[in-house]
Amino acid sequence: AQTVTQSQPEMSVQEAETVTLSCTYDTSENNYYLFWYKQPPSRQMILVIRQEAYKQQNATENRFSVNFQKAAKSFSLKISDSQLGDTAMYFCAFMSIAGNTGKLIFGQGTTLQVKP
Amino acid sequence: DAGVIQSPRHEVTEMGQEVTLRCKPISGHNSLFWYRQTMMRGLELLIYFNNNVPIDDSGMPEDRFSAKMPNASFSTLKIQPSEPRDSAVYFCASSQKTGLNTEAFFGQGTRLTVV
Repeated sequence: AQTVTQSQPEMSVQEAETVTLSCTYDTSENNYYLFWYKQPPSRQMILVIRQEAYKQQNATENRFSVNFQKAAKSFSLKISDSQLGDTAMYFCAFMSIAGNTGKLIFGQGTTLQVKP
Repeated sequence: DAGVIQSPRHEVTEMGQEVTLRCKPISGHNSLFWYRQTMMRGLELLIYFNNNVPIDDSGMPEDRFSAKMPNASFSTLKIQPSEPRDSAVYFCASSQKTGLNTEAFFGQGTRLTVV
């Protein structure tokens, strides 16, 4: 069974600085998707960024980028130029391609506080 | 589209009562998922439907939980009888499985409190 681990329950960063959130996962599959979701205090789950395992190039979305290390099964999220609105809980998630189910397996989450 | 719509946003009920949570997926989406979020267990998949058919309900914790999807635009998650340990935020999500389209869109969740 696949598992996703986020080892940092809480993190903080000063506004305008850079922060990296860690995520590791375990799977025997070769093709899959990885995601980072943001959950602000409003509770809404918002997709931040997605990575296809068969792509070697790391995904980037504006200030958000990932460091995908397939052999190490590591998928970290880097937030550059942190903004107060980035304060939220961040979840790493795994999706198997096998069966095309669309099911997401989530990590425990990391609460990020951006300080002014 | 208004996105995935869940109702109610908050529900407080007494132990033993029946609770029904509702979800309207995004029009055209053919997969629907119910997740539960708790402090202890994080986000867990309870059940998912594909084309209105339940595919995997292995995450449903007990027989007290049941879910239905009578048509493509509506799903319910029912707890009967409810217990305090069912207190959690319940999310509904939908996606359209076409090719490599993988994004799941979440509703705003229902916060359930069982007292």
